[in-house]
Amino acid sequence: DTEVTQTPKHLVMGMTNKKSLKCEQHMGHRAMYWYKQKAKKPPELMFVYSYEKLSINESVPSRFSPECPNSSLLNLHLHALQPEDSALYLCASSHGTLYNSPLHFGNGTRLTVT
Amino acid sequence: DAKTTQPPSMDCAEGRAANLPCNHSTISGNEYVYWYRQIHSQGPQYIIHGLKNNETNEMASLIITEDRKSSTLILPHATLRDTAVYYCIVRVGYSGTYKYIFGTGTRLKVLA
Repeated sequence: DTEVTQTPKHLVMGMTNKKSLKCEQHMGHRAMYWYKQKAKKPPELMFVYSYEKLSINESVPSRFSPECPNSSLLNLHLHALQPEDSALYLCASSHGTLYNSPLHFGNGTRLTVT
Repeated sequence: DAKTTQPPSMDCAEGRAANLPCNHSTISGNEYVYWYRQIHSQGPQYIIHGLKNNETNEMASLIITEDRKSSTLILPHATLRDTAVYYCIVRVGYSGTYKYIFGTGTRLKVLA
């Protein structure tokens, strides 16, 4: 079990669909992250939120739209995706201000774009 | 941003120590090194981290060279359940904008 919960575990969507990935943590962490992981590759950072504000966008295409409604929740809205966007999407959180706080990961959402 | 490089794969006999190296020659003075592992289809699991000094916890030990250009993760008595991909990560940035940048990872196989 992880302290970061991601839903759904699996998602299949067409290229014209709109869907959302959800992430929740109740550890009081103030920094939350989205990573994308392709098969047999390391996770790649997409977005960082700090105190519910977007602080880092790693030049991610606009078809991915993050949202942080409150300090416990992080969403990733998906629209007009391409098959190459199929991957494992990982959410993580950290304390945010502690100087050496590790990341806590969820188990991810496996996304397939058809 | 600092980069890390790791050997792509290693084998280790069950019960023996597994020593996983990581090179981070461009690391800056305030950038921490973290180690995570990932078992297939799960999220990465935190193992240990350090800045300058060697560190030990219930899972592993972390040895950082004096010049901080490399580190070694040591699993003292590897078991079959330690078979996983191990990532060395450098954290860059500052409070509010930390980025945890993954290395390429080492696929560790523990052999019975």
